[in-house]
Amino acid sequence: SQQGEEDPQALSIQEGENATMNCSYKTSINNLQWYRQNSGRGLVHLILIRSNEREKHSGRLRVTLDTSKKSSSLLITASRAADTASYFCATRGGGTSYGKLTFGQGTILTVHP
Amino acid sequence: DAGVIQSPRHEVTEMGQEVTLRCKPISGHNSLFWYRQTMMRGLELLIYFNNNVPIDDSGMPEDRFSAKMPNASFSTLKIQPSEPRDSAVYFCASSWRNRVNTGELFFGEGSRLTVL
Repeated sequence: SQQGEEDPQALSIQEGENATMNCSYKTSINNLQWYRQNSGRGLVHLILIRSNEREKHSGRLRVTLDTSKKSSSLLITASRAADTASYFCATRGGGTSYGKLTFGQGTILTVHP
Repeated sequence: DAGVIQSPRHEVTEMGQEVTLRCKPISGHNSLFWYRQTMMRGLELLIYFNNNVPIDDSGMPEDRFSAKMPNASFSTLKIQPSEPRDSAVYFCASSWRNRVNTGELFFGEGSRLTVL
């Protein structure tokens, strides 16, 4: 099964609103990453948070990580129509699993102008 | 700088035919990954290489799939014979991995495969 599971599966909001997506995972991780995919395109890395970090910011993005609950959230503030895309969390395991980056099923975000 | 380059972008073939997908990673990256994306199964890791050596191929569906990385600049994913259920978008991604760098992935634009 997928290591990361996003919630909700789909999110529809108006421009200017905030969008929050959640990710849960099952096993211990080295880091957790968020990626964005526009329709018909490859994935693009957005932000990475290490297992010893609790919160990270990058522009309009805010990521939190709660290792005790094995969950993360991605907040996009003041959303724009151009933020419409699928968003995936991906976990990188520790130890012998370090090399593998396992993706969740993704959240489809639609931002209406 | 050029990103990860994949070819072909689109491939339509008939069941039973051989399919070869190609990938040129970003220069200087030492890890390469092949993923498959479908609506039903999402993004699945098929295989990944580190310094041209296959590290984990547990995601390769069956013996019909094979992947090679003869040098740091090139990798192929081959399906022989192809079946309709192989229809998917295949992504190649590369990264730089060392003890300090946590290795975010850089993806190509994908190869969309349709097997009739």
